[in-house]
Amino acid sequence: HLQLQESGPGLVRPWGTLSLSCAVVGDSMDNFRDLWGWIRQAPGKGLEWIGTISTTGTVDYNPSLEGRVTMSLDTSTKHFSLMLTSVTAADTAVYYCARLVALDCSGTCWSWFDSWGQGTLATVSS
Amino acid sequence: AIQLTQSPTSLSASVGDRITITCRASQDISRALGWYQQSPGKAPKLLIYDASILRSGVPLRFTGSGSGTDFSLTISGLQPEDFATYFCQHFHNNPLTFGGGTRLDIK
Repeated sequence: HLQLQESGPGLVRPWGTLSLSCAVVGDSMDNFRDLWGWIRQAPGKGLEWIGTISTTGTVDYNPSLEGRVTMSLDTSTKHFSLMLTSVTAADTAVYYCARLVALDCSGTCWSWFDSWGQGTLATVSS
Repeated sequence: AIQLTQSPTSLSASVGDRITITCRASQDISRALGWYQQSPGKAPKLLIYDASILRSGVPLRFTGSGSGTDFSLTISGLQPEDFATYFCQHFHNNPLTFGGGTRLDIK
């Protein structure tokens, strides 16, 4: 049974860099169809997709954050990471890591966030 | 970016009721839509994918329908654990986006 566990500092200074890591527990990262992603949720707000990364390192970022976001992945240690630079108060949110998996490829192969971490709150404040 | 507009934004209902939440996409997304349930303080859980396929383990009282731009999630016979916030999400193109959410409260 797959579990995802986020880790990282809870407090980040304005204009600093937010760095988060996600540990993959209980399953491998070997399925080439799986993607690994980050989603955030500002307090009391909706969900915002940040980006996804494949096991081959192909990344896809939300254009609203492109230029500030970098994702990486290490299948040998079963971790993937998020870096967000030049953060402001608007980046204060609960950050979730998640697996994106194609559940039905009998037709078009769409992927869905089927497993999520518990979320970690990152607060941008001086 | 594709916008997903959910309605209503909030809804009050009683245990046993049948409710429907709608999600309208700003352009044709075929059936590339999923539904998630989020309880307070918890991560979202996937309920429905490809617009109408019930994820394994999700109760049969949840049904999804629609294609193109108009989608709906229906819960028949609300249970106490169903009172939560529901989000739709598309997988048509970058950026993936979510609807604004529908909060379902006990009447």
